[in-house]
Amino acid sequence: DAGVTQSPTHLIKTRGQQVTLRCSPKSGHDTVSWYQQALGQGPQFIFQYYEEEERQRGNFPDRFSGHQFPNYSSELNVNALLLGDSALYLCASSLGGLGSEQYFGPGTRLTVT
Amino acid sequence: AQKVTQAQTEISVVEKEDVTLDCVYETRDTTYYLFWYKQPPSGELVFLIRRNSFDEQNEISGRYSWNFQKSTSSFNFTITASQVVDSAVYFCALSEVEQGSYIPTFGRGTSLIVHP
Repeated sequence: DAGVTQSPTHLIKTRGQQVTLRCSPKSGHDTVSWYQQALGQGPQFIFQYYEEEERQRGNFPDRFSGHQFPNYSSELNVNALLLGDSALYLCASSLGGLGSEQYFGPGTRLTVT
Repeated sequence: AQKVTQAQTEISVVEKEDVTLDCVYETRDTTYYLFWYKQPPSGELVFLIRRNSFDEQNEISGRYSWNFQKSTSSFNFTITASQVVDSAVYFCALSEVEQGSYIPTFGRGTSLIVHP
């Protein structure tokens, strides 16, 4: 049973560029949440997708957007990258909402130079 | 506003020692969930436990145990007879329910280093 997978593993971008990160949920899960984890910090909730719609959103600017596909996989897009966007981006899947047990992927390490 | 405090930034122990990781939370809700996650060097967060605010029973799972005390707003995690494989960063998290958001707030984590 495949767990949560994310791609790419690492990514280096320049300020002002745009980036797309991808996530495939654990088999049987219908909900995907995205988190940003800066170095030495705990994960911060970005948003959650369910039934192809954004259901919950944390305190992140509109530069952060997402999408969920009919097969439940998801993308996180970040526009106009800033140096402060450098972080580990974690995807978590669950069956149900945020109160449910979430399974996390290994993350994508984004470096903005 | 909800807040989770993990005051211990780093703990270093020798294998077979017992170790307790502290978690103190703040919330105005009476209904909420508390979580512990383990993050090994690979980066993937591993779910350890979820408790709801109405269940104050302590829980034991193998070498792991959790002490939930609403009176002191604490949800502490103890590893008995620690092993090198326990070395990781451990996060405590809180999700409020009454507002309907369930958005989790994580603490800053405690790095546990277990020496052989």
